[in-house]
Amino acid sequence: AQRVTQPEKLLSVFKGAPVELKCNYSYSGSPELFWYVQYSRQRLQLLLRHISRESIKGFTADLNKGETSFHLKKPFAQEEDSAMYYCALSGRGTNAGKSTFGDGTTLTVKP
Amino acid sequence: GAGVSQSPSNKVTEKGKDVELRCDPISGHTALYWYRQSLGQGLEFLIYFQGNSAPDKSGLPSDRFSAERTGGSVSTLTIQRTQQEDSAVYLCASSSIPGQGASPLHFGNGTRLTVT
Repeated sequence: AQRVTQPEKLLSVFKGAPVELKCNYSYSGSPELFWYVQYSRQRLQLLLRHISRESIKGFTADLNKGETSFHLKKPFAQEEDSAMYYCALSGRGTNAGKSTFGDGTTLTVKP
Repeated sequence: GAGVSQSPSNKVTEKGKDVELRCDPISGHTALYWYRQSLGQGLEFLIYFQGNSAPDKSGLPSDRFSAERTGGSVSTLTIQRTQQEDSAVYLCASSSIPGQGASPLHFGNGTRLTVT
């Protein structure tokens, strides 16, 4: 069974501080991992995916297969980063099955 | 192109009434999901459609909830005999055929359901 765990429901940091949102997963195979973000009054949207290996809005996430983690990091948090963040997992190929989401972490960046 | 469209955006109903929520996925997307998001809470998976396969209904909270997807496109989520605890934002998402890799989900704006 596939499972995604986000251990922190709430996370609060000051502007300019580093931030790390934790995500651990369990999956028997090679999953694809995603981070989604939901800003206030906006729809839930893709932030980044591990296969892209890109930085979006200063955020990066590295897939660590040994630790089965996909933590989201940003070296200097901004107030506009305040949002709800979801980590998600999907299998690969036409038999991938449904995506599985974590419970989400609400990030608050204080001025 | 057009994104995932949900209607109505808001629905207020009396306890005991039935409601229907509609989702128009992105054209060509074969996978469709329904989620529920209560105030301040995370996503609660409800149901998943993929192509012509039998839907995964494992997340439906009770037999008052049902969903169908006609012609592999539009989906309707029906809640019968609504209860106050059904009040939430109902989100629909779609994704394309994974192919070589997984495809991200595209979400609609949701339907905010309030049961009075």
